[in-house]
Amino acid sequence: GESVGLHLPTLSVQEGDNSIINCAYSNSASDYFIWYKQESGKGPQFIIDIRSNMDKRQGQRVTVLLNKTVKHLSLQIAATQPGDSAVYFCADPGAGSYQLTFGKGTKLSVIP
Amino acid sequence: DTGVSQDPRHKITKRGQNVTFRCDPISEHNRLYWYRQTLGQGPEFLTYFQNEAQLEKSRLLSDRFSAERPKGSFSTLEIQRTEQGDSAMYLCASTGSGNQPQHFGDGTRLSIL
Repeated sequence: GESVGLHLPTLSVQEGDNSIINCAYSNSASDYFIWYKQESGKGPQFIIDIRSNMDKRQGQRVTVLLNKTVKHLSLQIAATQPGDSAVYFCADPGAGSYQLTFGKGTKLSVIP
Repeated sequence: DTGVSQDPRHKITKRGQNVTFRCDPISEHNRLYWYRQTLGQGPEFLTYFQNEAQLEKSRLLSDRFSAERPKGSFSTLEIQRTEQGDSAMYLCASTGSGNQPQHFGDGTRLSIL
């Protein structure tokens, strides 16, 4: 895939507030996107994915929105908790490829 | 634990030495991937196996790097004549058939003295 990047490198939110993490992608042929959470010293942990035939997908406390027109996706975390503190990556395997392309990530810090 | 397992978790070695890492994927997954991650960056793709066949290799995978998956189950990644720039977290991921999310292990952190 081509570049997948994130708008903000850091995000601080108050516990209980909602968090929104943004991601832009450049390959218009990309048809599958994944959000990962990575805690210090651990590998990326799958959170939620979305395919290009969907605009929105919800999980437990998380929602991913996909806007194919502007090639943008976001991860919304409801009622953010201290355990949500981590680096969040969006990733894209690109069209016809299995290798994931990651952005630099957004570090989410939750203020108790 | 039925997740992706990597061994060792940490490896410290002197420059010029050879190192080998092991990855045990989720048992029913036929696809296995290696990535490298440096501090403050996202993981970068190194190579991909479908069963025992190595199907993709990144330009990051120099001649000093070799990966194998001889029986289509566990995989090894070897780095020969290690250099300072090889210091990184080496991550393994696996997935089944179709477009599915890759599941990662907790990586092997390599430090070159």
